[in-house]
Amino acid sequence: NAGVTQTPKFQVLKTGQSMTLQCAQDMNHNSMYWYRQDPGMGLRLIYYSASEGTTDKGEVPNGYNVSRLNKREFSLRLESAAPSQTSVYFCAGKTSGTSSPLHFGNGTRLTVT
Amino acid sequence: GQSLEQPSEVTAVEGAIVQINCTYQTSGFYGLSWYQQHDGGAPTFLSYNALDGLEETGRFSSFLSRSDSYGYLLLQELQMKDSASYFCAEGVNAGNMLTFGGGTRLMVKP
Repeated sequence: NAGVTQTPKFQVLKTGQSMTLQCAQDMNHNSMYWYRQDPGMGLRLIYYSASEGTTDKGEVPNGYNVSRLNKREFSLRLESAAPSQTSVYFCAGKTSGTSSPLHFGNGTRLTVT
Repeated sequence: GQSLEQPSEVTAVEGAIVQINCTYQTSGFYGLSWYQQHDGGAPTFLSYNALDGLEETGRFSSFLSRSDSYGYLLLQELQMKDSASYFCAEGVNAGNMLTFGGGTRLMVKP
């Protein structure tokens, strides 16, 4: 049972390069989320998808795009990476219901030079 | 910015009790959750409160007062393995949008 799987685990980009962070879940989650976490700080919501076919901006969406490809997959794209996007990115999913917990992937550590 | 406020750091000794407070300000509030994160790891769910009162799960309890926009996580019989960061998170927009506080780093000393 894989849970929430993120790829890659590590990535180094040069400023201006683009890349897509992949996230897939096999827990039948309706909702999926992308967060970033900077050193010593909390998680900030970038985008979320409450259900297949919908996406919404979170707290810090600028510089990112997302795609909810199907129920299982939710990708995060950086079109032109900037050093300010150096961070650890976490994908998470949850089933319907306000009390359902978030299940997190293991994170992608991204460095932009 | 984040609308949830929590202390940045708390230190306690093994076997003690510690309380981590969280205040929130967002309208459309649907509930308060707590997550634990060890260094280098992913956050894991601890507890959830939708209604006022105390929820108990083993050594951990969580409390919510909606009228005060306030909650706390209570950790009892502290163990060294409890050294981690603890985050409160609120659900808004029918509970679909979940935002986190800045986290409280708990250090448990022998």
